Amino acid sequence: EAGVAQSPRYKIIEKRQSVAFWCNPISGHATLYWYQQILGQGPKLLIQFQNNGVVDDSQLPKDRFSAERLKGVDSTLKIQPAKLEDSAVYLCASSFYRGELQETQYFGPGTRLLVL
Amino acid sequence: DQQVKQNSPSLSVQEGRISILNCDYTNSMFDYFLWYKKYPAEGPTFLISISSIKDKNEDGRFTVFLNKSAKHLSLHIVPSQPGDSAVYFCAASATNNDMRFGAGTRLTVKP
Repeated sequence: EAGVAQSPRYKIIEKRQSVAFWCNPISGHATLYWYQQILGQGPKLLIQFQNNGVVDDSQLPKDRFSAERLKGVDSTLKIQPAKLEDSAVYLCASSFYRGELQETQYFGPGTRLLVL
Repeated sequence: DQQVKQNSPSLSVQEGRISILNCDYTNSMFDYFLWYKKYPAEGPTFLISISSIKDKNEDGRFTVFLNKSAKHLSLHIVPSQPGDSAVYFCAASATNNDMRFGAGTRLTVKP
């Protein structure tokens, strides 16, 4: 079974530029998550989708970050404009929704972003 | 708000001995706990989980213990192997599936 796919793996941009990340979850997984992991910290949830609807985006800096999952499968996360403090690894995860309250999340390899 | 804390940033053990990784949480609404393992340049990999209705869950060399009254959980690896060297993240979630992670503990198993 293929895992969560993410691209690109690495990205270097200058501050105030825009950047987009792509994620393809495990087939059949209805729930998709984007996390930000700053060096030395654990992953922090940015946004959670259930199919193509947003379940939780309370920690997403909406003035510069946006995400979409139009067809309920793959998703993009965009930063516009980027700041130095956005340098981090952006992780995508997915889980299989069976109506249960807790589902194990499976992570992709992440996109490492460096903002100069 | 650091609701999940891993106070030991690193741990070093000898091959064949027990590794004990600790995690504390503050939110009493958490009822599902997980451990993830992360190698460099890879995403976290699910290792083992435990529901709040249990106090122990075992999977091969890995055992997770939960002490709800102390809001503490631990991961035991017995025996430790060099391939276990990685960063281990503790995570906790409440019914809304909003998962919170600790900062991680880097385990080094020496041959």
